[in-house]
Amino acid sequence: DAGITQSPRYKITETGRQVTLMCHQTWSHSYMFWYRQDLGHGLRLIYYSAAADITDKGEVSDGYVVSRSKTENFPLTLESATRSQTSVYFCASSESVYEQFFGPGTRLTVL
Amino acid sequence: RKEVEQDPGPFNVPEGATVAFNCTYSNSASQSFFWYRQDCRKEPKLLMSVYSSGNEDGRFTAQLNRASQYISLLIRDSKLSDSATYLCVVDSLNFGNEKLTFGTGTRLTIIP
Repeated sequence: DAGITQSPRYKITETGRQVTLMCHQTWSHSYMFWYRQDLGHGLRLIYYSAAADITDKGEVSDGYVVSRSKTENFPLTLESATRSQTSVYFCASSESVYEQFFGPGTRLTVL
Repeated sequence: RKEVEQDPGPFNVPEGATVAFNCTYSNSASQSFFWYRQDCRKEPKLLMSVYSSGNEDGRFTAQLNRASQYISLLIRDSKLSDSATYLCVVDSLNFGNEKLTFGTGTRLTIIP
């Protein structure tokens, strides 16, 4: 199916575990983004990528790692999950920085 | 001061009424402005871009005031389906790279 998908949609993990959230888009958009959304903070940029093999940090990148070996995939890894990383994570893609198309989100709970 | 500030609401408005939201931004160098809509427990979706001259899309009108650094969204003849959170979004430069900054959103509920 065309569009942008995220998996898993829901995840519960424990403090200290490594977790990888997947993002896949079928539009061949150059840009891809990872955001987290928390009450009172709105959407905050974690990492973004302008093209395959090019990634840059956003405002809340500590504790997260990304890679982009293929244009269509942009996985986000929490190296050692902490409770403060409990959040809803959205992946987005676009042809420019603007008009970003968002995936359905992953709800992550870290116990 | 936050880069983008919105009144969180909630705004509870009867069906058919007109409602307006404002959003202020702090970076005077910002060039691009948007309104996104987010339904409960769903992903944000672009509602409309905001142009300098103001623009209209059906019942929705967006305005930009650069001097006072705010943008507005007006919804006329509101429908039940307009109930959502409206996110004000502004571009900014971060170490030479452009990015979007999202406001925390204004929650709107249309009452039958």
